[in-house]
Parts: sequence; structure tokens; C-alpha cells
Amino acid sequence: AQRVTQPEKLLSVFKGAPVELKCNYSYSGSPELFWYVQYSRQRLQLLLRHISRESIKGFTADLNKGETSFHLKKPFAQEEDSAMYYCALSPTTSGTYKYIFGTGTRLKVLA
Amino acid sequence: GAGVSQSPRYKVAKRGQDVALRCDPISGHVSLFWYQQALGQGPEFLTYFQNEAQLDKSGLPSDRFFAERPEGSVSTLKIQRTQQEDSAVYLCASSLERGSYEQYFGPGTRLTVT
Repeated sequence: AQRVTQPEKLLSVFKGAPVELKCNYSYSGSPELFWYVQYSRQRLQLLLRHISRESIKGFTADLNKGETSFHLKKPFAQEEDSAMYYCALSPTTSGTYKYIFGTGTRLKVLA
Repeated sequence: GAGVSQSPRYKVAKRGQDVALRCDPISGHVSLFWYQQALGQGPEFLTYFQNEAQLDKSGLPSDRFFAERPEGSVSTLKIQRTQQEDSAVYLCASSLERGSYEQYFGPGTRLTVT
């Protein structure tokens, strides 16, 4: 079964502390993986995708096929990072390019 | 430029009523997706259009749900005989072309069935 698991519903960290948002996936093929972010009262927007290997707003994510993980990391959290974060998988063999989302992690960065 | 827009933003329906939710994708975007997001959950895929063709409707939860995109631009998601379990945020997303994996999301329509 194709599944994305985000084990933490809420993650609170202090400003300046490192952040790691966990994402594990279940998929037998080669997945396309994404992180989407939703700031308060805004729409879902793409944060990063694994194939681009970019760092956006200081966030990075590395695909680990052995552990089937795609954790999102940032070395120093900022208050403006407080938001809802969703990990998403796009099964490359589906022909649909739909997303399978995790349940999301709410990140709170405390002053 | 304009992003994906959805209307209405909020809809309250009595159980048993029919509702229609509209999505205006970004101009020129070939692919259009509908997702359903229940409270506290991530979005779940409902259906996918490539231009006017509905290529995947595997996520539609029942035959009460129907979607169309007759001219390959605006799309409508219709729910007949609404039930309380249909209460959710309905998200529309579009992407530039088939195989282009970045999806641009609309603000969603929050449907409450009483």
C-alpha cells in the first residue's frame, strides 16, 4: 500500500534550535517526494521537492531509500517557520501524478 | 498573476441537499486535481483531469460525488444528497502539464453538512 506517515502531530521548538520533521513512506517504486507548507490563513504551497535538491528558507530534506524516509530539517528555527507541514508522495507509476499526503505536523517555534 | 480560485469559500448544507463546488485553475494549466481534507487529516485525492478528460476518479468516495471539467478549464465538484461525513475542506489544485509534479492549490471550500 502507498502511504505517508508523519508521526508527530505537533512539534514545539525554541527559536534558534534545530528542527526535524519526520516523514516515512511506503511505496514499492521510485517515489517523487515533496514537502508542502501551510502558514496561518494561507493556502498549501510547495516548500521543496526531493529531485531539485534545493534548500528553501533554510530547509533541506534528503531522500533515504533504505529507511524510506524524507525528513525535513532546518538547523536554526525561526518564529516565521511556525506552520503546518505536510509530506507528500507522488507515485511515479500511477500515471495520475496525484499526491498521497501524510496527516501533517504542526510546527510551533517559541520565542 | 491569479492563482487557483475556488468558490464558495464556505458552504453550509442540510443533510440531503445537493452542492456544487467550483474551481478556477491557473490559466493554461492542463492538470486539475480535487482533494478532500477532513479535520485533522491530510488532503486525500478524489479525482484528476487532464484537460477535459477525467483520467482518474478512484478517490471519489461514492457515486454521490461527481466531477466535471467540460472545456478543460473550470471544474465543478458536485455532491448529491450530502451526508454529515461529507463535511470537510475540498481543495482544488492545478499543474502546468501532465507529469509536472508541482501542484498549485486553491484556498479550499469548507463544506459543513448539518
